Amino acid sequence: EIVLTQSPATLSLSPGERATLSCRASQWVDKNHLAWYQHKPGQAPRVLIFRTSNRATGIPDRFSGSGSGTDFTLTISSLEPEDFAVYYCQQHATSPELTFGGGTKVDIK
Amino acid sequence: QLVESGGGLIQPGGSLRLSCGASGFNFGDYWMHWVRQSPGKGLEWVSRANNDASSTTYADSVKGRFTISRDNARNMVYLDMRSLRAEDTAVYYCARRFPSGEYYFLDHWGQGTLVIVSS
Repeated sequence: EIVLTQSPATLSLSPGERATLSCRASQWVDKNHLAWYQHKPGQAPRVLIFRTSNRATGIPDRFSGSGSGTDFTLTISSLEPEDFAVYYCQQHATSPELTFGGGTKVDIK
Repeated sequence: QLVESGGGLIQPGGSLRLSCGASGFNFGDYWMHWVRQSPGKGLEWVSRANNDASSTTYADSVKGRFTISRDNARNMVYLDMRSLRAEDTAVYYCARRFPSGEYYFLDHWGQGTLVIVSS
């Protein structure tokens, strides 16, 4: 089973600052199957990035993804007030079919 | 739109059926998933059904206890849960897979339904 480890667990930043979130896999991950989600309390999770670096429909360009192999990164270039949330990476493999990282909470400093 | 229902308070060892109604898209074209979030924890994938539920998969934590099914005529996907345990307490989300054989991600999610397993 591929384990996704996200770091840091919490990122305390101010609006306008840059956020860099890491997702490290225990084994090689197909970059076509690496995605990032944003989740706010009481809301449905929302896909931000698919295929490692492709922005989903309607996602602002301040969100970007990169990486390959076992190391992947989500970058928010300049935090807006609505970006404070929990972010999860996700990968697909044979079993289990989907795996999520433990999440990174981006909160207001 | 995806709308879950059926959550509630259930005693350990009990059974519950969750439902998820879909609208606004051609339901039969999409694989459907259940994902849960336990209190204070992250997202955990639970189960998947392909377009006609001829193929289903489960997380090890629920295998043998949970069953996913779907009714394409009614645009519904279900999760039958039995032998429930305290650790099954969570918000359960249904979500659809983006219809691509090349990429794998969940492009639309419901708001979730809360299941509490407690005596």
